[in-house]
Amino acid sequence: GEDVEQSLFLSVREGDSSVINCTYTDSSSTYLYWYKQEPGAGLQLLTYIFSNMDMKQDQRLTVLLNKKDKHLSLRIADTQTGDSAIYFCAESRENGGFKTIFGAGTRLFVKA
Amino acid sequence: DTEVTQTPKHLVMGMTNKKSLKCEQHMGHRAMYWYKQKAKKPPELMFVYSYEKLSINESVPSRFSPECPNSSLLNLHLHALQPEDSALYLCASSREGLGVQYFGPGTRLTVL
Repeated sequence: GEDVEQSLFLSVREGDSSVINCTYTDSSSTYLYWYKQEPGAGLQLLTYIFSNMDMKQDQRLTVLLNKKDKHLSLRIADTQTGDSAIYFCAESRENGGFKTIFGAGTRLFVKA
Repeated sequence: DTEVTQTPKHLVMGMTNKKSLKCEQHMGHRAMYWYKQKAKKPPELMFVYSYEKLSINESVPSRFSPECPNSSLLNLHLHALQPEDSALYLCASSREGLGVQYFGPGTRLTVL
C-alpha cells in the first residue's frame, strides 16, 4: 500500500543536530522529498533525493536514504530557532502518476 | 525562479457566496495541483491539471470547481461551501507529472 510514516514530534536544543526520520513502504518510489512548513505558510521544498542515490548534502542539510530498509532521514546541523516548523517527508513514483504521498509531518521544536 | 503565487491570502465567505481562488506560476510547468490542508495534517490532493486538461479529481464535491485557463494559471471556484471546508488551500506545480512539486503560500479559507 501507500504509506509514509514519520514520528510526530522532535525537540532539540539550539546548536545541536536534528535528525528527522521517515519510513516508506513502496519500493518503487522514485523521488523522496523533504518539505518544511512554518505556521500559516505553504510548503517549502527543502531538498529531494532520487531513489538511485544514498546521500545528498546541501549546506546544513544532509539526506540519507537506505533503500533496503526503506528509510529516509533528514539531518539539520547546527539547528537554529528558525528551523522550528513541521517537516513533511514525501515520495512519488514513476507508476504513481501525479500523486505525491505525504507523511503526517514531524513538528520540530528548537529550544534556545 | 521557483515561485508559485496564490491570491487571496485570506478569504472569509458565507455558505451562499461564490468566490474564486487563483494560482499562478511562470516556471513553464505543465502540471498544476490543488491541495486542501487541515490544521496539523498533511496536504490532501484535490485536483491535478496536466497540459491544461483535468487529469485527476480525487472525488471532490462539486461545490469545488477547478479551471485552468492557460498553462500559467489555475483557478478554484467555490460555491455553496460548508463550514467543514474551512482549511488552507495550496496550489502546486511541477514540470511534468512525475516531478518535484513547488507549492504556493496558500489561501486560508474560512466558511461561516
